[in-house]
Amino acid sequence: GAVVSQHPSRVICKSGTSVKIECRSLDFQATTMFWYRQFPKQSLMLMATSNEGSKATYEQGVEKDKFLINHASLTLSTLTVTSAHPEDSSFYICSASRTGGRYEQYFGPGTRLTVT
Amino acid sequence: DAKTTQPPSMDCAEGRAANLPCNHSTISGNEYVYWYRQIHSQGPQYIIHGLKNNETNEMASLIITEDRKSSTLILPHATLRDTAVYYCIGYAGGTSYGKLTFGQGTILTVHP
Repeated sequence: GAVVSQHPSRVICKSGTSVKIECRSLDFQATTMFWYRQFPKQSLMLMATSNEGSKATYEQGVEKDKFLINHASLTLSTLTVTSAHPEDSSFYICSASRTGGRYEQYFGPGTRLTVT
Repeated sequence: DAKTTQPPSMDCAEGRAANLPCNHSTISGNEYVYWYRQIHSQGPQYIIHGLKNNETNEMASLIITEDRKSSTLILPHATLRDTAVYYCIGYAGGTSYGKLTFGQGTILTVHP
């Protein structure tokens, strides 16, 4: 149980384009989902927290207009990187919680974004 | 959330127990100790968590000192697939949603 999937696993896009990453909880309802970013040889950094049916809460320094998050259902959250630049190239990882984030989070396998 | 301190790297022989220490001397009474691991180029995997008592599950055991200033994650019979970065995180869950703050973790290398 507690499986989280992400799609796509890898994506290459050109500068200036937008790319959408999906995060799904496959066997449970996720009231809260989290989006992280991880640069090479660094640890995970939380970008934003999304609760189903409400606006996401972004961490300091994360541009909400650039990283659009939609948590439309209890099993799906999407992250759209708008007007991507090479510096947005990173490993994007989502996690999901069935307890509003109060206890353990279950992570997706990650999406490797490369912007050329 | 409590700041934790872990050794940057450890080695372990396959089949032996891997004991990963974590110091969390500033942990508060309502903060749990969570352990996650991340195998290269994958998302983190939840391992175990505890508050005061020692905990055991199918993956590992967690030993928390009585003063809660440190803990040890034990992988009883390490395999090559346990090679990963292990993160110890103090997490004030149980109230509103909390943030998992990942430090640098311990790189555990299991060798044949």
